[in-house]
Amino acid sequence: DIQMTQSPSSLSASVGDRVTITCRASQSINSYLNWYQKKPGKAPKVLIYAASSLRSGVPSRFSGSGSGTDFTLTISSLQPEDFATYYCQQSDSTPWTFGQGTKVEIK
Amino acid sequence: EVQLVESGGGLVQPGGSLRLSCAASTFSFSSFWMSWVRQAPGKGLEWVANINHDGSERYYVDSVKGRFTISRDNAKSSLYLQMNSLRAEDTAVYYCATYSTISRSGYFDCWGQGTLVTVSS
Repeated sequence: DIQMTQSPSSLSASVGDRVTITCRASQSINSYLNWYQKKPGKAPKVLIYAASSLRSGVPSRFSGSGSGTDFTLTISSLQPEDFATYYCQQSDSTPWTFGQGTKVEIK
Repeated sequence: EVQLVESGGGLVQPGGSLRLSCAASTFSFSSFWMSWVRQAPGKGLEWVANINHDGSERYYVDSVKGRFTISRDNAKSSLYLQMNSLRAEDTAVYYCATYSTISRSGYFDCWGQGTLVTVSS
C-alpha cells in the first residue's frame, strides 16, 4: 500500500497568513494527488484534484503543486472559514489512501 | 446540485450486520463511480470501497474484504454497503461519495452528510 505522510500534523496561523502543507508519498504517484478540507460534523470537501487542478467553486487562494512523491497545498491568505483539517489522498493505485491530516488552528 | 443522503447507521453488537444506504438525487447517478469513505472517532479519513457505473467492478480496502459488500441499484439511484461480521474498529461515520474519474485516476467529489455506525456490546 502507498503510505501518505503529511507535515506538519498541526499548525497555528493568523488570518491573512500564507499557509503551506506538505504531503509525501511512499512511492511515485505521478500527479494522482487530491486535497480535501474537513470541518467537524461536516462532510469532506475536495479542494484540489490531480495535484494542481482547482475544483470548481473553490476559492483561488487555494493552490496545489508537486508530482512524483512530494506535494504541497498552499493557502495564500488564510481566511476565518479556512480553519479546518486538511487531508491529501493518492488515487494512483488501490487501496486509495489518505494522509493523517493537518489541523489548521487559530493563533 | 448533487445530493447524497446516507441512512442505516446505528448501534450494533460485535459480529452483527448492518446495511447502509445512500440515496442520490438531482444527477445522473448511473454515470458515476461511487464510493464509501469512513472516519473513526478522532481519526482520519479511510477509503472503504468503490463500485463502477454498472456494478461490474468493485474494490475494497483489505480490512473489510470478505465482510463488506458494496452494491448499487441504478434504477433507484441508490448505493449500498452491506456490513457483516462487524468489529469495534469498524465504528465510524460512513460517507458515500461520487468518484469522479480523470484518465486512469479520480477523486471523491460530492459527499453525503454521513451516517454513524457504532459497534459495541
